[in-house]
Amino acid sequence: GAVVSQHPSRVICKSGTSVKIECRSLDFQATTMFWYRQFPKQSLMLMATSNEGSKATYEQGVEKDKFLINHASLTLSTLTVTSAHPEDSSFYICSAHGPQETQYFGPGTRLLVL
Amino acid sequence: KQEVTQIPAALSVPEGENLVLNCSFTDSAIYNLQWFRQDPGKGLTSLLLIQSSQREQTSGRLNASLDKSSGRSTLYIAASQPGDSATYLCAVSPYGNNRLAFGKGNQVVVIP
Repeated sequence: GAVVSQHPSRVICKSGTSVKIECRSLDFQATTMFWYRQFPKQSLMLMATSNEGSKATYEQGVEKDKFLINHASLTLSTLTVTSAHPEDSSFYICSAHGPQETQYFGPGTRLLVL
Repeated sequence: KQEVTQIPAALSVPEGENLVLNCSFTDSAIYNLQWFRQDPGKGLTSLLLIQSSQREQTSGRLNASLDKSSGRSTLYIAASQPGDSATYLCAVSPYGNNRLAFGKGNQVVVIP
């Protein structure tokens, strides 16, 4: 089956630092990947659509300079949280549009900003 | 803007009972609807995908129905087991793109 991985699974950082999260499709190519954020007891909120070889499309209210997205290859998209603050602490999940018109989700990355 | 609501937010049932989870959405112009399972602190596992032209999908003990005109979907889990304890998320995809809109989920606990 189609598998999506994320790295790291958990990260703790100091306020003001930048954190990079990787999302990889392991056994299929994905021209489109998606980044979501999930707060406790809340639904997944789409942050941006990552398109291979072009700029990401951000949802309303998501700061593109704060959340940098790069989709350099058909199997890798990265999300960089720049100058992270405690309010950026959340669960970040990526997905990749794969076979059978299904989105395949990564296992998520727990970010804690101190 | 598409709004997805899931009721009930949380429920506990004894093992063996059937589960009925409800999802409603405000904009019926959808391409498909998916049900996912999420375990605590984990990613999502796709359970069932229903295309807008379909009425239902079945996989093992799971059955999902879709009434697009009324904006509703129901996930049935037959003969629940403790391993079914998880949060179940409903998501709809509009025509033309794959930007999923999620509900907040149904948190299920199956009591042995």
